[in-house]
Amino acid sequence: DVQLVESGGDLVQPGGSRKLSCAASGFTFSNFGMHWVRQAPEKGLEWVAYISSGSSIIYYADTLKGRFTISRDNPKNTLFLQMTSLRSDDTAMYYCARSGYGSSEMDYWGQGTSVTVSS
Amino acid sequence: DILLTQSPAILSVSPGERVSFSCRASQNIGTSIHWYQQRTNGSPRLLIKYASESISGIPSRFSGSGSGTDFTLSINSVESEDIADYYCQQSNSWPTYTFGGGTKLEIK
Repeated sequence: DVQLVESGGDLVQPGGSRKLSCAASGFTFSNFGMHWVRQAPEKGLEWVAYISSGSSIIYYADTLKGRFTISRDNPKNTLFLQMTSLRSDDTAMYYCARSGYGSSEMDYWGQGTSVTVSS
Repeated sequence: DILLTQSPAILSVSPGERVSFSCRASQNIGTSIHWYQQRTNGSPRLLIKYASESISGIPSRFSGSGSGTDFTLSINSVESEDIADYYCQQSNSWPTYTFGGGTKLEIK
């Protein structure tokens, strides 16, 4: 079965950094593009970033203004999100999601990891 | 940027009724729309891809329709387990995506 397990969420001070991980299993990770999506408390879903299977294509939501970096380690079946200059409005549940094979829907999602930015 | 507007914000229906969720795009996106269900404290789950394509493991009471700018997700005969938030998402601007604001389904 496809599994995506996020980790790394925590309480972070404003201006701080945090690196999230997403461990993938049950499929050939190196064949699939991956996304990060976040959800602020009591709010809707917000797409954050995408990375292609071989890391050649990377895109971010305009609102992030270069503060976040998506990356992946295919031999270790792991997706990452490096977050810097964190602000209170970055407080959210962060989900990793798999992009469909040759397709653009998000077909599998992890359970999420929570990041709280507060002093 | 492509904006998605979902309406209404809240839908309240009785068990066994048919319900429809609306998603309107700010420009023509063909059929590049996908629908997700998110139960309370749960992760999103893919229900329908490319406006009307069914997903393995999703009950047949879920269906999608539409193209261009107007899209609909329907549940034929709502069940109590369908209580959730429903989101549309566009992939016409791949690989940058946007989600609609969501519609909450309540059961009377």
